[in-house]
Amino acid sequence: QLQLQESGPGLVKPSETLSLTCTVSGGSISSSSYYWGWIRQPPGKGLEWIGSIYYSGSTYYNPSLKSRVTISVDTSKNQFSLKLSSVTAADTAVYYCARHGIAAAIDYWGQGTLVTVSS
Amino acid sequence: DIQLTQSPSFLSASVGDRVTITCRASQGISSYLAWYQQKPGKAPKLLIYAASTLQSGVPSRFSGSGSGTEFTLTISSLQPEDFATYYCQQLNSYPPLYTFGQGTKLEIK
Repeated sequence: QLQLQESGPGLVKPSETLSLTCTVSGGSISSSSYYWGWIRQPPGKGLEWIGSIYYSGSTYYNPSLKSRVTISVDTSKNQFSLKLSSVTAADTAVYYCARHGIAAAIDYWGQGTLVTVSS
Repeated sequence: DIQLTQSPSFLSASVGDRVTITCRASQGISSYLAWYQQKPGKAPKLLIYAASTLQSGVPSRFSGSGSGTEFTLTISSLQPEDFATYYCQQLNSYPPLYTFGQGTKLEIK
């Protein structure tokens, strides 16, 4: 059974960079059929897709966040990572990592991790 | 950018009721639409993909329909465990921009 697990600091200071890693177990991140993505959800609000990466390194980002987002993959560790720079309180959210096919629905999600931006 | 608008935003219903949630896209997205259920403190769960295909393990009381710009999620007979928030998501745009609807919170009447 595929499992995804987010890890990283739960508290980040304003203007700093948020960094999260998603570890994939029970399957290979190098599968040619899937993308690996990040989605976030501010407290009490809806879902926002941040971006996705293919095992080869090809990335797609939400244009509203593109200038601040970097998603990378480490196939040797079966992990992919998110970096979001110059964070503000508006970036406080539960961050989920997830798997989806090309133009296909998200079928596996991590449990989510709350990241709070505060000094 | 493609926008998704769900209606209603809040829905109050009773166990056994039949409920329908609508998702409208700002432009045609063929059948590239998915539905998710989210319970408090949990990750969303995929219910329907390709507008009308039931994800494995999802009860048959859930069904989806539509194509183009108008889509519906129907729960034929509400069960206590169905009270949750439901989101639609479009998957059609390129480069990928996987927009979500704003959500519909289904509450017990």
